[in-house]
Amino acid sequence: EDQVTQSPEALRLQEGESSSLNCSYTVSGLRGLFWYRQDPGKGPEFLFTLYSAGEEKEKERLKATLTKKESFLHITAPKPEDSATYLCAVLARGAQKLVFGQGTRLTINP
Amino acid sequence: GAVVSQHPSWVICKSGTSVKIECRSLDFQATTMFWYRQFPKQSLMLMATSNEGSKATYEQGVEKDKFLINHASLTLSTLTVTSAHPEDSSFYICSARVWDRGSDTQYFGPGTRLTVL
Repeated sequence: EDQVTQSPEALRLQEGESSSLNCSYTVSGLRGLFWYRQDPGKGPEFLFTLYSAGEEKEKERLKATLTKKESFLHITAPKPEDSATYLCAVLARGAQKLVFGQGTRLTINP
Repeated sequence: GAVVSQHPSWVICKSGTSVKIECRSLDFQATTMFWYRQFPKQSLMLMATSNEGSKATYEQGVEKDKFLINHASLTLSTLTVTSAHPEDSSFYICSARVWDRGSDTQYFGPGTRLTVL
């Protein structure tokens, strides 16, 4: 069974304090690994798709990396507006539905 | 990125009534759409997968007669909550799958908050 585990569940940082969120996964053939950001009361906002180990993608202060067992979402010099829940999901080859982790609640204090 | 809209964004209804939620892909065609439910401080729970022109595939434990899904066109899927009860109160989110030039992504709508009194 495909599984995704995110850690930590919650993370509080000071503005400017860089850190990383972890997404560990087991999947029967990876089609893609996805990162989303979700603000309270809103739908998830797409950030990145990673397809193969070694791939990296960046967007502003965020950088996502992928290995065969896990993905990291690195956040550099975060700002309060980066506060949100970050969701990781995997799509197995031949599957239609995403398997989500429980998310990491990130809070950036000014 | 692709845009998915939902309507309404929130709805309050009386117990026993039915509520319809629309999900539209605004700038692309989606052969596959998904309906999720989310409880406070929890992750997304997939309810059903909707393929255009065919019957939806429901996840285990989801009552198909209670949550009616119709995907009549490549840009519109609807979720109807029939005979709603307070326990159906939740945040409902749809998503649409985009498969373009090797890129396979799901884009989500803004969600619909349903409150059943």
